Amino acid sequence: QKEVEQNSGPLSVPEGAIASLNCTYSDRGSQSFFWYRQYSGKSPELIMFIYSNGDKEDGRFTAQLNKASQYVSLLIRDSQPSDSATYLCAVPNTGNQFYFGTGTSLTVIP
Amino acid sequence: KAGVTQTPRYLIKTRGQQVTLSCSPISGHRSVSWYQQTPGQGLQFLFEYFSETQRNKGNFPGRFSGRQFSNSRSEMNVSTLELGDSALYLCASSFSGQGALYGYTFGSGTRLTVV
Repeated sequence: QKEVEQNSGPLSVPEGAIASLNCTYSDRGSQSFFWYRQYSGKSPELIMFIYSNGDKEDGRFTAQLNKASQYVSLLIRDSQPSDSATYLCAVPNTGNQFYFGTGTSLTVIP
Repeated sequence: KAGVTQTPRYLIKTRGQQVTLSCSPISGHRSVSWYQQTPGQGLQFLFEYFSETQRNKGNFPGRFSGRQFSNSRSEMNVSTLELGDSALYLCASSFSGQGALYGYTFGSGTRLTVV
């Protein structure tokens, strides 16, 4: 079974700072990685995914992948209070199944 | 474009009862996956249906079952409910089973409480 590990937090950052969320995975053969955001009491929503080593940027969000270190991260620039949520890292398995980390709780302090 | 619709939103059941949850995927999506989310275990995969066939199943007891209809709507059933079945049940929709390529769209979930 694939393992996806995340620091549960809580992670607190001041408004306007960069929030850095990290995820490690056990299966060296994993090819793609997904980040979901889940607000309290809501369902997860897809933020972005990354396949290739390096950085992928989408607005204020940047996903970083280092396959050699089996490490993927999500950076949120200019953090806003509305970014306060739990962030889930996910790795696909065969078929249409995902393994999810338990999530990192982020609080952005105004 | 309508999203993924799950009903009901909330359920309270007694131990030993059974429950049926419903999920209507995004129009045109033929793959429906079900997950259980609890504070301690996070999101755990239950099963996936594609074109009315179960393609993949997670490590849950046989009390958890599901099916998919010709219109891609899916139901999951839990029989002989236990207290530990209290959780948020999430349905995820993807086009032609390509969730692994492009990710899922989740429904709002059904919050099941077993008392």
